[in-house]
Amino acid sequence: KQEVTQIPAALSVPEGENLVLNCSFTDSAIYNLQWFRQDPGKGLTSLLLIQSSQREQTSGRLNASLDKSSGRSTLYIAASQPGDSATYLCAVKDNNNDMRFGAGTRLTVKP
Amino acid sequence: DAGVIQSPRHEVTEMGQEVTLRCKPISGHNSLFWYRQTMMRGLELLIYFNNNVPIDDSGMPEDRFSAKMPNASFSTLKIQPSEPRDSAVYFCASSPTHSNQPQHFGDGTRLSIL
Repeated sequence: KQEVTQIPAALSVPEGENLVLNCSFTDSAIYNLQWFRQDPGKGLTSLLLIQSSQREQTSGRLNASLDKSSGRSTLYIAASQPGDSATYLCAVKDNNNDMRFGAGTRLTVKP
Repeated sequence: DAGVIQSPRHEVTEMGQEVTLRCKPISGHNSLFWYRQTMMRGLELLIYFNNNVPIDDSGMPEDRFSAKMPNASFSTLKIQPSEPRDSAVYFCASSPTHSNQPQHFGDGTRLSIL
């Protein structure tokens, strides 16, 4: 059974700092990996999706990498802003359409 | 595009009552997912449908939970009878089937069982 772990559980940084969120998974036979953002009281918003054949995806200040062999993904946020404050979840999808989520990293960007 | 629409947004009821949560997926999406999120267990997949057919319900906690998708634009998740430990936020998501397109989530239903 796929297990997804996110470290750290919480992170607080000053505005403008670059930061990295980590995600690890136990089974490398994945279909894709997705990073989501969740604001309090809201649903999940998809940020980046990396296919199993890809190494990274970029969108604006966000860059996500994938290393299937080591079971790791990182989400890099450049020049962080207070509006980036949210919980970031990593989710791994297998070939049976089953998606497993990490517990998330709660990010606070201080002005 | 209206996105995934869930109703109600909030539900408070007494234990033993029947609860019905509703979801309208994005038009054209063939897959629909029901998730439950709690502080203790995080986000868990309960059941998902492909083309209105339940594919995997192994995440459904027990027989008190049931889900239906009578057509491509509507799904329900029912709890009967409800218990306090069912209190959670329930999310519905949809996506094109077996593709590398992301899942789109609704805003969830916050359920409190007293």
